[in-house]
Amino acid sequence: QVQVVQSGGEVKKPGASVKVSCEASGYILTDYYMHWVRQAPGQGLEWMGRINPNSGATNTAQKFQGRVTMTRDTSISTAYMEVSSLRSDDTAVYYCARGRQLSGTSRKFDIWGQGTRVTVSS
Amino acid sequence: QSALTQPASVSGSPGQSITISCTGTSSDVGAYNYVSWYQQYPGKAPKLMIYDVSNRPSGVSNRFSGSKSGNTASLTISGLQAEDEADYYCSSFAISSTRVFGGGTKVTVL
Repeated sequence: QVQVVQSGGEVKKPGASVKVSCEASGYILTDYYMHWVRQAPGQGLEWMGRINPNSGATNTAQKFQGRVTMTRDTSISTAYMEVSSLRSDDTAVYYCARGRQLSGTSRKFDIWGQGTRVTVSS
Repeated sequence: QSALTQPASVSGSPGQSITISCTGTSSDVGAYNYVSWYQQYPGKAPKLMIYDVSNRPSGVSNRFSGSKSGNTASLTISGLQAEDEADYYCSSFAISSTRVFGGGTKVTVL
């Protein structure tokens, strides 16, 4: 069964960092891009960035550049996203979503994690 | 990169057809045939419904169809059913290999 499973919810104080993990199973992590998307309470989806798990190369939305770091550990088929200098408006559910196959052309988020709720509160 | 524009809400009666629009620019929707649509129930992760403008993944009902004209993409749900009541989001590939989402549309089945 192809799936991605995320780490559990986190509560952080303003100014802290949070690192969310996303473990892929049923497919080879390095064969597909992995994207990160967040959703603030009652709001829509917001694309944060993506990582090529094969090379480690990343593309980050301009809004998050300098504050978001995406990495991966291919030995355990896991992608990570770290957000630093957390603010209250970073409170959201963070999703990882499988993207394009590196050798393919279709652009889609076809497999989604269950979401990780991050609450930023003093 | 600004969000794509979707109507906040669309409603229809069972059996009817509804269409959700998704308007972008010549830098995203208008430039690429890489628009996708997602269905989301409250408290759940989004689900892929349409990709590359008009392709339907295996397992998605053929009542869902997608199209594009210029800078506007559309999702049509035909034969509306109670289970279709959910939020729907469009997404497009954009310059520098980024992605952009629409603000979301709440579909209500009357």
